[in-house]
Amino acid sequence: EAQVTQNPRYLITVTGKKLTVTCSQNMNHEYMSWYRQDPGLGLRQIYYSMNVEVTDKGDVPEGYKVSRKEKRNFPLILESPSPNQTSLYFCASSLSPVGYNEQFFGPGTRLTVL
Amino acid sequence: GENVEQHPSTLSVQEGDSAVIKCTYSDSASNYFPWYKQELGKRPQLIIDIRSNVGEKKDQRIAVTLNKTAKHFSLHITETQPEDSAVYFCAASNRGTSYGKLTFGQGTILTVHP
Repeated sequence: EAQVTQNPRYLITVTGKKLTVTCSQNMNHEYMSWYRQDPGLGLRQIYYSMNVEVTDKGDVPEGYKVSRKEKRNFPLILESPSPNQTSLYFCASSLSPVGYNEQFFGPGTRLTVL
Repeated sequence: GENVEQHPSTLSVQEGDSAVIKCTYSDSASNYFPWYKQELGKRPQLIIDIRSNVGEKKDQRIAVTLNKTAKHFSLHITETQPEDSAVYFCAASNRGTSYGKLTFGQGTILTVHP
């Protein structure tokens, strides 16, 4: 089944404890993105990647890192999480740039930073 | 960068009525405008999109209109049904140059009362 998966789905952590949220897709998509969703603010793009080893900042990249060492994986890294990073995170992928093919979202990861 | 404003933030209609959600964007170079539906606890899913070379697109009960001069676009849902209840997001992108960048509106919570 073609899908985007994220792990973990739920995570409660403490300030400053490094964490990684994994994202994987099995559709051989070149483009992948990370978004955070907060009430009243919609979805805001954190980082996106056009291919292996090619990434760029979205609208809210501060406090996050990403890497794209393999085509199928696009992990989101929070080196020193803070409470303002408490949010619902979505990974997404598409075959080609936004606007040429549909973007598929993962199931989401709800992160709480205490 | 691009800024997308979405209104209203909440919309309540009776089953069978029409619903209209409006978005404005700031970057005149944006040329791709998707709409996503997010049911409670689920991931966003693309429901319709429009590119800047057309003014209107329809898909059964859903239509999107685009006014490039005024830089606004709207989602129209006719004959609403309870299963249309969800959060709807508009977004904008320049698919020729920004490759993976997508800017979302703040979202509209649509409630359809039986």
